[in-house]
Amino acid sequence: NAGVTQTPKFQVLKTGQSMTLQCAQDMNHNSMYWYRQDPGMGLRLIYYSASEGTTDKGEVPNGYNVSRLNKREFSLRLESAAPSQTSVYFCASSDTDYTEAFFGQGTRLTVV
Amino acid sequence: TQLLEQSPQFLSIQEGENLTVYCNSSSVFSSLQWYRQEPGEGPVLLVTVVTGGEVKKLKRLTFQFGDARKDSSLHITAAQPGDTGLYLCAGATSGTYKYIFGTGTRLKVLA
Repeated sequence: NAGVTQTPKFQVLKTGQSMTLQCAQDMNHNSMYWYRQDPGMGLRLIYYSASEGTTDKGEVPNGYNVSRLNKREFSLRLESAAPSQTSVYFCASSDTDYTEAFFGQGTRLTVV
Repeated sequence: TQLLEQSPQFLSIQEGENLTVYCNSSSVFSSLQWYRQEPGEGPVLLVTVVTGGEVKKLKRLTFQFGDARKDSSLHITAAQPGDTGLYLCAGATSGTYKYIFGTGTRLKVLA
């Protein structure tokens, strides 16, 4: 099983450019999440989708939008990238809101 | 705001030594997960504990959930270089959809 698949793995953007990070899971999980990981800050929740058709803000949602396209896919969009959004982004999924979460391999994004 | 404090932040030990990593909070969690993350990779789940006082073993790794479900520990016996990595704990509370992550313990095991 692939588990959670993220694309792309690496991306360099110029300030002001837009892009969409893609995430798909094949575990039939109900809930999906987007996190960012920064040195010294740990993993912080950007947005989550408790179930298909719903999305909610996490701890650091500013500058991002999300779409839960179907049960499998959850995308993260940066409309106008800023250097402060340079980070490693992880998508995760879980069956319920307190069972274990499974993570993708991450997208390393650099905004210059 | 729920917080999870991990200690120590960094640990460098010789192969064969034992170590314990702690994960503490003032909040009660429905479950707690431990992950290991290697450079350039996503966190990989090691274990989930859900019952206060629960102890789980995974080969040389022993995980314990505190009786009050506010804290947890990870004990590694006879550490090996393959145990090197970033260890993360994460607490989850039913109804919140928000896994709270500790800042991690970076372990290096020297051969």
